[in-house]
Amino acid sequence: DQQVKQNSPSLSVQEGRISILNCDYTNSMFDYFLWYKKYPAEGPTFLISISSIKDKNEDGRFTVFLNKSAKHLSLHIVPSQPGDSAVYFCAATFQGAQKLVFGQGTRLTINP
Amino acid sequence: DAGITQSPRHKVTETGTPVTLRCHQTENHRYMYWYRQDPGHGLRLIHYSYGVKDTDKGEVSDGYSVSRSKTEDFLLTLESATSSQTSVYFCAISDFRGNTEAFFGQGTRLTVV
Repeated sequence: DQQVKQNSPSLSVQEGRISILNCDYTNSMFDYFLWYKKYPAEGPTFLISISSIKDKNEDGRFTVFLNKSAKHLSLHIVPSQPGDSAVYFCAATFQGAQKLVFGQGTRLTINP
Repeated sequence: DAGITQSPRHKVTETGTPVTLRCHQTENHRYMYWYRQDPGHGLRLIHYSYGVKDTDKGEVSDGYSVSRSKTEDFLLTLESATSSQTSVYFCAISDFRGNTEAFFGQGTRLTVV
């Protein structure tokens, strides 16, 4: 039972354009969501997060949007840069869960 | 960078042999996790620990055991390795006070032949 789903295994975007990565979840208890970025041969690194009391959180070129009614979140990267090419994982948790549940990941490729 | 060290970084082992992966942290975080990463499955939790000698199963715990005798060390053991356990294994740590992100090690690539 996949509680966090990233339905797009891969995404290709031109440099300078917007990249939009999507994530859906099924567990209504989730109240905190995170995005991680992973380069080959490295561990995932934290990118940005959002609490369920918000619907948007920005950090530089990265913005995460949360739509609780649709159980959907998205990560926007504007403008996309070649260094953004990586695998992006969506994760979710709730108070008291003590652990993160991850999606399958989306491989983002930024083309020059 | 969070102080997490995984060892070994790469290992090739034969089917049926025992294997132990080590995770060492210098951050004094309470929670430690073992995940495996496989194509199409993302990161799946194997086991986690919420304190010394306190561990619990994750979603893919069959065939794995763990031990945590010290705050800084979390060991993952494959009692009898199988080819289906060929994967990249990541250790993670967290304070998990409220909403805190987890920090990951660099991973161990394990191949079972």
